[in-house]
Amino acid sequence: DVQMTQSPSSLSASVGDRVTITCRASQGLNSWLAWYQQKPDKAPKPLIYNTATLESGVPSRFSGSGSGTDFTLTISSLQPDDFAVYYCQQYNIFPPTFGGGTRVEI
Amino acid sequence: EVQLLESGGGLVQTGGSLRLSCTTSGFIFNKFAMSWVRQAPGKGLEWVSGISGSGDGTYYADSVKGRFSISRDNSKNTLYLQMNNVRADDTAAYYCVKDWMEICLYYFDSWGQGTQVTVSS
Repeated sequence: DVQMTQSPSSLSASVGDRVTITCRASQGLNSWLAWYQQKPDKAPKPLIYNTATLESGVPSRFSGSGSGTDFTLTISSLQPDDFAVYYCQQYNIFPPTFGGGTRVEI
Repeated sequence: EVQLLESGGGLVQTGGSLRLSCTTSGFIFNKFAMSWVRQAPGKGLEWVSGISGSGDGTYYADSVKGRFSISRDNSKNTLYLQMNNVRADDTAAYYCVKDWMEICLYYFDSWGQGTQVTVSS
């Protein structure tokens, strides 16, 4: 299975900060990578797919980039609603696999 | 608006069986593959099983192969997960998720609220 390694596992930030989360895959993914946001006791919410395409309704402060094995989720200016856990997921190679998550907290 | 509503979770003994259901609305059900994704308490996400829009293709994680069975009733817009011979490590919230394509490509663009399965000895 493709191993997805996220870093950091957690981070502390303030409103207005620029936040970057990294996801590294054990094999090349082309562009088949997604990001999800999960808040406590809620289902994950899709944010980005195909590495850089924002889901409808997702604020433009979120962006994704990368290629091959290294990918990044960036929040340009952290807002109070953004404190959550973020997961990357690859869907290039069966079975689909998720990263371990990055907790973004104050 | 896409809606996915899981049901059927609960407490089950080790070795027992449970059937999860996911009723859907807001999209043409048979045009999209569906999957189940689970999350153990305090842990990350794990894909469990997927099924194509027609139901002809079914796919499983190694951890559940031979014990779980995924199916769908396109006339009822409903997805199922039959869980047999459950183990303690099957304890998790189970999410019904919609694929973005008719075949299983495994980008999940809609999620249900989840149903909790607890396996006890």
